Amino acid sequence: GAVVSQHPSWVICKSGTSVKIECRSLDFQATTMFWYRQFPKQSLMLMATSNEGSKATYEQGVEKDKFLINHASLTLSTLTVTSAHPEDSSFYICSARDAGDTQYFGPGTRLTVL
Amino acid sequence: QQQVKQSPQSLIVQKGGISIINCAYENTAFDYFPWYQQFPGKGPALLIAIRPDVSEKKEGRFTISFNKSAKQFSLHIMDSQPGDSATYFCAASTDTGRRALTFGSGTRLQVQP
Repeated sequence: GAVVSQHPSWVICKSGTSVKIECRSLDFQATTMFWYRQFPKQSLMLMATSNEGSKATYEQGVEKDKFLINHASLTLSTLTVTSAHPEDSSFYICSARDAGDTQYFGPGTRLTVL
Repeated sequence: QQQVKQSPQSLIVQKGGISIINCAYENTAFDYFPWYQQFPGKGPALLIAIRPDVSEKKEGRFTISFNKSAKQFSLHIMDSQPGDSATYFCAASTDTGRRALTFGSGTRLQVQP
């Protein structure tokens, strides 16, 4: 099956710093990737849709200047949490959609902001 | 407004029993309905998916039943095993536009040995 990787799997940072999370589709090309946020024992909340070569589409209430998304190639999308604060601590998960419209999810990145 | 409602919130089933999780949707434009399984600290994994042109789809021990008129769909796990203990999410998307998934609230399944 299709594989999506994320790096890093976990990160701890100080308040005010920026953190970059990478999402890669390893064995297929993905023109569209999605970024989700998940709080403990809750569902996945879509943050933004990332399209290769164009600007990301953000969901209502998601600050685009805080959560920078870059989809530089058909296999890589990055999410940068800028000036992170403790309330940004969460589990961030990406997904990539293949040519058959199936979404495959990455293993997630646990972000802890001190 | 929650567009996909999932129940129950949690479920305890004995080994060998049938686990049933239900979802209801509101947006009639939805036409793709996947189920995902998630273990703690991991990303969701696609289990099985269905489109409205069929009423049932079976893959191994997992079956989706779909009722278009009632706007409901359900996941049945036959012969439930302790290894099935996880959180299950239903989801839905349209076949046009961004085709982003809208997730249900999740069901924590515990299969007791």
